[in-house]
Amino acid sequence: DIQMTQSPSTLSASVGDRVTITCRASQSINNWLAWHQQKPGKPPKLLIYKASSLESGVPSRFSGSGSGTEFTLTISSVQPDDFATYYCQQYNSGFTFGQGTNLEIK
Amino acid sequence: QVQLVESGGGVVQPGRSLRLSCAASGFSFSSHSMHWVRQAPGKGLEWLAFIWFDGTNKYYADSLKGRFTISRDDSKNTLYLQMDSLRADDTAVYYCVRDREDQGKYYFDYWGQGTLVTVSS
Repeated sequence: DIQMTQSPSTLSASVGDRVTITCRASQSINNWLAWHQQKPGKPPKLLIYKASSLESGVPSRFSGSGSGTEFTLTISSVQPDDFATYYCQQYNSGFTFGQGTNLEIK
Repeated sequence: QVQLVESGGGVVQPGRSLRLSCAASGFSFSSHSMHWVRQAPGKGLEWLAFIWFDGTNKYYADSLKGRFTISRDDSKNTLYLQMDSLRADDTAVYYCVRDREDQGKYYFDYWGQGTLVTVSS
């Protein structure tokens, strides 16, 4: 099975900061990676698919990059609505999520 | 707009069964493969099961050990998850998830609101 490891587990940031979350796969997943955002008590929401494709309606401050085994999600200027938990998810072979990164207010 | 509404959750005793339903609307249900994903309280996301758009293929997480069965009824635009031999560690919010196909790969694009299953005596 493919394991997904995110870092950091918790990230503290202020409004306006640029933040980056990293996701590593235990083997190559090409670019079959998605990022989902989840707020407390709500279902996840798709942000990015195929590593770098922005889902319709998602603000352009979100971007994804990477291929193979290392991927990043970047928020160029954190907004109040962005404080949430972020999950990477591979869909190259089966479906596996990272453990999540909690973006909290500094 | 796409809507996925789960139902059937609740409190159930260990060893008993429960069937979850997911009513889909706002899209062509029969054209999409579907998934179940769960989230234990305070924990991360765990993929459980996947059924092709035409129901011909089904895939499950190894951890389920054959206890869960995914199915669909396209005439009712409804997805199901039959859960047998429930255990305390099956306690979670269960999400119905639609997928989108891209070059033979499937990613999750819409999530339902979830239904809480609590396994407790």
